[in-house]
Amino acid sequence: QLQLQESGPGLVKPSETLSLTCSVSGASITRASDYWGCVRQPPGKGLEWIGSISHSGTAYYAPSLKSRVTLSVDTSKTKFSLKLKSVAATDTAVYYCVFSPTGPYDAFDIWGPGTMVTVSS
Amino acid sequence: QSALTQPPSVSGAPGQRVTISCTGSSSNIGAGFDVNWYQQLPGTAPTLLIFADRSRPSGVPDRFSGSKSGTSASLAITGLQADDEADYYCQSYDSSLIDVLFGGGTKLTVL
Repeated sequence: QLQLQESGPGLVKPSETLSLTCSVSGASITRASDYWGCVRQPPGKGLEWIGSISHSGTAYYAPSLKSRVTLSVDTSKTKFSLKLKSVAATDTAVYYCVFSPTGPYDAFDIWGPGTMVTVSS
Repeated sequence: QSALTQPPSVSGAPGQRVTISCTGSSSNIGAGFDVNWYQQLPGTAPTLLIFADRSRPSGVPDRFSGSKSGTSASLAITGLQADDEADYYCQSYDSSLIDVLFGGGTKLTVL
């Protein structure tokens, strides 16, 4: 059974880069139809899609974050990563790794438990 | 302000039926893009409840159903139970924004 697990820094200073790793268990990042992505949720607020990536590295990003975000797939094909540069307090959120078996903009079947990232000096 | 509009809250007594609306526009729901629904229990990650407007993943009770008409979609929950108390989010794709959109979320209270 496919599972996702986020690992992140917990605390990031303003203007620095947030790096998040999503570990995949129960499957590998090899199938063409699968997409792997990230969604975030600021404290007490709603959900925001960050982006999705295919096994070959084709990435799709939210327009509001596109200039600051990079998704990548690890060569082991068991992890993918998010980098968000020039962070500010508004980037404070729970970050979730997500999986869609059909497309970058489709339903997210599987979610990781999430990891809280706080941006503060 | 989200491009998909949901009521902030709904409530119902145990056993009753409630519906949660999700209103979009001609570039997302009205364009025929799938509407998906998620349930987020307190302190946990969201889980997929309804996909492709009206399909249920395995394990989701048939008390939960989805529908779509024009630029709006709805989630219906029948036979309300105490453990249905959660936040519910709709999601779709917008072809003008080239973005995945979530509704602002609806908090369901079981009275």
